[in-house]
Amino acid sequence: AQSVSQHNHHVILSEAASLELGCNYSYGGTVNLFWYVQYPGQHLQLLLKYFSGDPLVKGIKGFEAEFIKSKFSFNLRKPSVQWSDTAEYFCAVSIYNTDKLIFGTGTRLQVFP
Amino acid sequence: DVKVTQSSRYLVKRTGEKVFLECVQDMDHENMFWYRQDPGLGLRLIYFSYDVKMKEKGDIPEGYSVSREKKERFSLILESASTNQTSMYLCASSLTGGLMNTEAFFGQGTRLTVV
Repeated sequence: AQSVSQHNHHVILSEAASLELGCNYSYGGTVNLFWYVQYPGQHLQLLLKYFSGDPLVKGIKGFEAEFIKSKFSFNLRKPSVQWSDTAEYFCAVSIYNTDKLIFGTGTRLQVFP
Repeated sequence: DVKVTQSSRYLVKRTGEKVFLECVQDMDHENMFWYRQDPGLGLRLIYFSYDVKMKEKGDIPEGYSVSREKKERFSLILESASTNQTSMYLCASSLTGGLMNTEAFFGQGTRLTVV
């Protein structure tokens, strides 16, 4: 069965620091990849997604992610975080041509001014 | 604007009660999902429906059942609530992507406490 691993459970950064959150999945075939964000008290919303093409994907609020097929990874990055990026971040995977969406355990990001 | 509405934000139920969690989407989406969200465990898929009356078990279906009689509504049923089902429950919906999955839209969640 497919699974998603997020190794960083809790990340604490100061404003302007760079961010990289890890995401690895276990499935040998073609996948579609997503990052979702949940701000405190709000519902989950999509940050970015990868279906095909350029493995470097840009999303909202200055976030980007790189799909590295050989490493089964889809890491999320932001060059300079802001206090407003404090949230929980979830990586998700679905197998190509299916609609079932599987999430990782999430990474809680705290950004201090 | 895309909308997924869960009937209750907070629920408190007694052990052994039958509990219904309702979810409605107004986007004509084929797919609907129920997840539970627990600290340190992320979102775990309970059940998934890809069409009316069609369902598929997720990773943790034990103790739950679902119903999808109409396209816009997906209900999660706890047949006999237990304390280990205390959790945040999230409903989501998405279009059938075919070769290309589409994003899922989430409701606000229902925080269920079983006492």
